[in-house]
Amino acid sequence: QVQLQESGPGLVKPSETLSLTCSVSGDSISRSYWSWIRQPPGKGLEYIGHIYYSGSTNYNPSLQSRVTISVDTSKNQFSLKLSSVTAADTAVYYCARPAVGSGWLLFDFWGHGTLVTVSS
Amino acid sequence: SYDLTQSPSVSVSPGHTASITCSGDKLGDRYVFWYQQKPGQSPVLVIYQDSMRPSGIPERFSGSNSANTATLTISGTQPMDEADYYCQTWDSNINTAIFGGGTKLTVL
Repeated sequence: QVQLQESGPGLVKPSETLSLTCSVSGDSISRSYWSWIRQPPGKGLEYIGHIYYSGSTNYNPSLQSRVTISVDTSKNQFSLKLSSVTAADTAVYYCARPAVGSGWLLFDFWGHGTLVTVSS
Repeated sequence: SYDLTQSPSVSVSPGHTASITCSGDKLGDRYVFWYQQKPGQSPVLVIYQDSMRPSGIPERFSGSNSANTATLTISGTQPMDEADYYCQTWDSNINTAIFGGGTKLTVL
């Protein structure tokens, strides 16, 4: 059974860069796609983007200018960086392992999520 | 960009049928996936490819998708089904997942 665990600072200052890592167990990161999804407190889900184990990425256009997702196959981890954060980036951040269909992804395994607050 | 619209809330009495809808332009031409999220927990996939149930999801959960509306139906709703439900589809133009705004299901 695949398990995902997010880690990283819970508090980030405005204008700084948010950095999170997702550690994967029970599956090899060198298998498929891996995603980040976030949820502001009391609000809905927002897709951030995904990475293929080879390193190719795709980002939500609304965040594309500030987002970088990378993969470390040696550690079986993938990471998220979001630059120039504001209070609007305060959210629970989830990493997820998608199931891959013909031209689509769905999310059948999720991490527990980690709350990141942007505040000075 | 493509948008999915869900009603903010739905109420149902225990044992009755709950219907949660998700609307979008020509949504029937796309696959829809449904997630259940209870407070403080991660979302759980309850329906995929419009009407398929993952293993472990009770048979009372079913789905359909036609024209501009997808529907998640919970038959014989139980108090444990009280949760937020999100629909999701895929926008192949931008290669990104699109989520609906979520529906809070209250069982009372």
